[in-house]
Amino acid sequence: DAKTTQPNSMESNEEEPVHLPCNHSTISGTDYIHWYRQLPSQGPEYVIHGLTSNVNNRMASLAIAEDRKSSTLILHRATLRDAAVYYCILRDVNNAGNMLTFGGGTRLMVKP
Amino acid sequence: ETGVTQTPRHLVMGMTNKKSLKCEQHLGHNAMYWYKQSAKKPLELMFVYSLEERVENNSVPSRFSPECPNSSHLFLHLHTLQPEDSALYLCASSQSDRWLTEAFFGQGTRLTVV
Repeated sequence: DAKTTQPNSMESNEEEPVHLPCNHSTISGTDYIHWYRQLPSQGPEYVIHGLTSNVNNRMASLAIAEDRKSSTLILHRATLRDAAVYYCILRDVNNAGNMLTFGGGTRLMVKP
Repeated sequence: ETGVTQTPRHLVMGMTNKKSLKCEQHLGHNAMYWYKQSAKKPLELMFVYSLEERVENNSVPSRFSPECPNSSHLFLHLHTLQPEDSALYLCASSQSDRWLTEAFFGQGTRLTVV
């Protein structure tokens, strides 16, 4: 799977929007962009995924650059409960089996 | 509650002990996974089972032995572990092993080897 690059950490104020960037310059045409997050003392949980178009769900929005070399996870109003490590992962739909790789992710800190 | 249940939540074992970690899901998923998360390191994929067959063994030492008796249960048998094996062991499941759909993780078993 292609590699992703994320900042190690970010800070946000409660009730404000948060934009978490992810660079994936070697993305292939069949790579889906997945985001997971891991709250303290929990296993990771799915947030959102997309291929080319921007995606929205109840948790977040995913904005994908036109060239697909980067994407941004958007939390519209950060809450204290959103403090977690956010992982951006590429997944090749044609790759049978699984070598899904979690990188270091971005640790999001939310200040009250 | 994600639908993936791991037991025990915490385990302390000696290096000569034999223990097993259990994972259970009743989500109707066909793929199950074991991950290891050591302190200050990214999650490492250990094993993948799809339709009860092992499809991935990511260079894991033989002191870790997985077992998938049916599509709802996954075990990780541990024997003669080392202190560096102390970590959070996470189980996950998904509809298929291609991860096109959402994967669900359990809360993990915090293992300490003494």
